[in-house]
Amino acid sequence: DGGITQSPKYLFRKEGQNVTLSCEQNLNHDAMYWYRQDPGQGLRLIYYSQIVNDFQKGDIAEGYSVSREKKESFPLTVTSAQKNPTAFYLCASSMDGYNEQFFGPGTRLTVL
Amino acid sequence: GIQVEQSPPDLILQEGANSTLRCNFSDSVNNLQWFHQNPWGQLINLFYIPSGTKQNGRLSATTVATERYSLLYISSSQTTDSGVYFCAVPPGRGSTLGRLYFGRGTQLTVWP
Repeated sequence: DGGITQSPKYLFRKEGQNVTLSCEQNLNHDAMYWYRQDPGQGLRLIYYSQIVNDFQKGDIAEGYSVSREKKESFPLTVTSAQKNPTAFYLCASSMDGYNEQFFGPGTRLTVL
Repeated sequence: GIQVEQSPPDLILQEGANSTLRCNFSDSVNNLQWFHQNPWGQLINLFYIPSGTKQNGRLSATTVATERYSLLYISSSQTTDSGVYFCAVPPGRGSTLGRLYFGRGTQLTVWP
């Protein structure tokens, strides 16, 4: 089954801790993206990567970091520098960055 | 970045009614996507429609790229149509960035 998986589905962390969200795709897509969604809001871009070993900041990159060492994986680390990390995080991918984007099921992060 | 505005922000319907959702965008674009976010947060691809009209069952979409808007039609609505509908566009023509800008969505509630 081809698709995008994100884990975990729910994540709780204490203030001051870093946490890493997983995103994996088996669609053989070159481009991958991380978005953040707050209640009642649209999606905002955190980071994106159009090819392995390369990534760019999106609109709200402060307090986040990413890596793209493998084509199928694009993990997102929420660092302690992110002031308001409680949100719904969605990962997406597309064939080459200019085509249709497809989304994973998301991770709900709550900071206690 | 490109501005995306969706209307109405909220829509409440009785089962069986028809509805039209609108998406305006501030620059010429090469494509446009419509998504449905279900109550569990999953974003489901509805249409990838740079211009013209597409139909998929009870749903259809029309994009008029020259006038910078797209419409999503839902006919004979069902309770399972409830959720948030988003439109998203890439940066304007000439951009080399592969990403999407999202509107704030239309929250649709369909009552039995």
